[in-house]
Amino acid sequence: SQQGEEDPQALSIQEGENATMNCSYKTSINNLQWYRQNSGRGLVHLILIRSNEREKHSGRLRVTLDTSKKSSSLLITASRAADTASYFCAYGRSNYQLIWGAGTKLIIKP
Amino acid sequence: GAGVSQTPSNKVTEKGKYVELRCDPISGHTALYWYRQSLGQGPEFLIYFQGTGAADDSGLPNDRFFAVRPEGSVSTLKIQRTERGDSAVYLCASSSPGRGPTDTQYFGPGTRLTVL
Repeated sequence: SQQGEEDPQALSIQEGENATMNCSYKTSINNLQWYRQNSGRGLVHLILIRSNEREKHSGRLRVTLDTSKKSSSLLITASRAADTASYFCAYGRSNYQLIWGAGTKLIIKP
Repeated sequence: GAGVSQTPSNKVTEKGKYVELRCDPISGHTALYWYRQSLGQGPEFLIYFQGTGAADDSGLPNDRFFAVRPEGSVSTLKIQRTERGDSAVYLCASSSPGRGPTDTQYFGPGTRLTVL
């Protein structure tokens, strides 16, 4: 069963705008990861943030982690049509087992 | 190098039949994971192998599900007496704990299982 929750479930924005997705979880974690899944394709790892980190950047991606609120956010800046996908957060209680959210479906309108 | 591969890409079977799903991890990856993903949901953990042994099979829904990894590389997920509720995409991932980004899992494209 899913133990992570993502918000919003769906997001539609214009190309060039920023997209923000949020993830909440319920237990203590070792790390939290974000993945992207394009329609009909596999999951692609985007970024990992460890429990002792508060913010991490990778290209146009920015991830924050607030362990006191048990929440994380993924910001995609200057969105492109190719960013259209479902985005999942997954958090680890150990070095291997990941618990997944239900995902946010992001649509970038040209 | 090659990524994680899974075969078949699609499998249609009848209720009550037995199916096997295969996963070929990235060469040298010692950790292998099976997940199940239903439509509109995130992946659900099934089982984790470290080498040849199942280090955690707590996600297997019942005893109709079984997975093996006899030589520490290729893994097979086996489902007996399939039920319509088993229909989902079965995902395999591999990782190499202790080297580089230790917790990054690399996913295969999945096997879409449909039980009629």
